Amino acid sequence: QAQLVQSGAEVGKPGASVKVSCKASEYTFNNYFIHWVRQAPGQGLEWVGSIKPPRGGTNYAQKFRGRVIMTSDTSTTTVYMELTSLRSDDTAVFYCARELGFPDSWGQGTLVTVSS
Amino acid sequence: SYVLSQPPSVSVAPGQTARISCGGDNIGLKSVHWYQQKPGQAPVLVVYDDSDRPSGIPERFSGSNSGDPATLTISRVEAGDEADYYCQVWDSSSDHYVFGPGTKVTVL
Repeated sequence: QAQLVQSGAEVGKPGASVKVSCKASEYTFNNYFIHWVRQAPGQGLEWVGSIKPPRGGTNYAQKFRGRVIMTSDTSTTTVYMELTSLRSDDTAVFYCARELGFPDSWGQGTLVTVSS
Repeated sequence: SYVLSQPPSVSVAPGQTARISCGGDNIGLKSVHWYQQKPGQAPVLVVYDDSDRPSGIPERFSGSNSGDPATLTISRVEAGDEADYYCQVWDSSSDHYVFGPGTKVTVL
């Protein structure tokens, strides 16, 4: 069973950046895409984008292009998502998920709070 | 961009059957996946590729997609099935994942 463990809650100021990590284990890291999904308080799931280790090819949702950067580190089997130019409406839980043709295993989620 | 539609809520008595629809343009040509999300928890895959179940998911959960809409059916509903349910597809034209708005299932 694939395991995805995310970093802890983050607080960022408007205009700043936050970086969330997602450590993968129990499967061959380089064989699968990792997706990131955002969920604002009381709202639904919103796809942010994906990355394919090891070369790190990315695909970002139009809404987040220019503000999101996804990277991967094969030595630590960890994927990172950095969100820049934070706004108050970025306050949300961010999930990473492994793709098996569809997201089949999910991390526990990381709460990002944007507050001055 | 591709848009999915779901009813905001479905209410069902214990032991009865809940049906959750997921509509979209030519959705019958896409593979539909369904997720269950309970408060404060990450989503859990309950049906993939229209009608397949991951290991560990009860047979009470089934899916179909013979056209608009696709449907998730929960038979013999239990109190523990109360959750939000999301459908999801991959939109090939934009190479993006798309989620439906979610349906809250309430067990009466």
